[in-house]
Amino acid sequence: DAGVIQSPRHEVTEMGQEVTLRCKPISGHDYLFWYRQTMMRGLELLIYFNNNVPIDDSGMPEDRFSAKMPNASFSTLKIQPSEPRDSAVYFCASTQGPNTQYFGPGTRLTVL
Amino acid sequence: GEDVEQSLFLSVREGDSSVINCTYTDSSSTYLYWYKQEPGAGLQLLTYIFSNMDMKQDQRLTVLLNKKDKHLSLRIADTQTGDSAIYFCAEKTGGNNRLAFGKGNQVVVIP
Repeated sequence: DAGVIQSPRHEVTEMGQEVTLRCKPISGHDYLFWYRQTMMRGLELLIYFNNNVPIDDSGMPEDRFSAKMPNASFSTLKIQPSEPRDSAVYFCASTQGPNTQYFGPGTRLTVL
Repeated sequence: GEDVEQSLFLSVREGDSSVINCTYTDSSSTYLYWYKQEPGAGLQLLTYIFSNMDMKQDQRLTVLLNKKDKHLSLRIADTQTGDSAIYFCAEKTGGNNRLAFGKGNQVVVIP
């Protein structure tokens, strides 16, 4: 298996623009997690899905953030409008049941 | 609640042993994990320990768990330059698939 795939790997955008991050989990995994990593706050869980259904979105910082999982093999995290403080590395991870989470390589987002 | 604490930085000479420590607060944690993050990469699972174990050894890695003090440590024997990375501990509580991560501990191996 190719592992968790994320795109793009790097994104540079201007404040106010919409940003869409994409994730393809490992085939057969039924849980998908979105994390954000910054120097100041470390690794934060934003939201996670089970069988494509959002289970806990309490980590989503603001209404500007939204996440969807239209099917078992694809999820998006959208920021609209983006702000400089959203600059971070965003990771997607997946797991099958209550087992080890496997992380993607991350998307480094820079909002100017 | 879940709260995981780690120290921030460790430098070690190549060939020496390195020990990274972590404390957690949730006594109902079922699994505790160590992840490694190399520059520009995602987190890679190194090893994990179930909460009813005191120790787990996996090649150069030794995990020690002190449930009474809620203290977890990772010992890397014969540290190599490729071990330079940020190491995260994480806890998972029963019935909940969320992981709570520490802020990470950067290990720099000096040749």
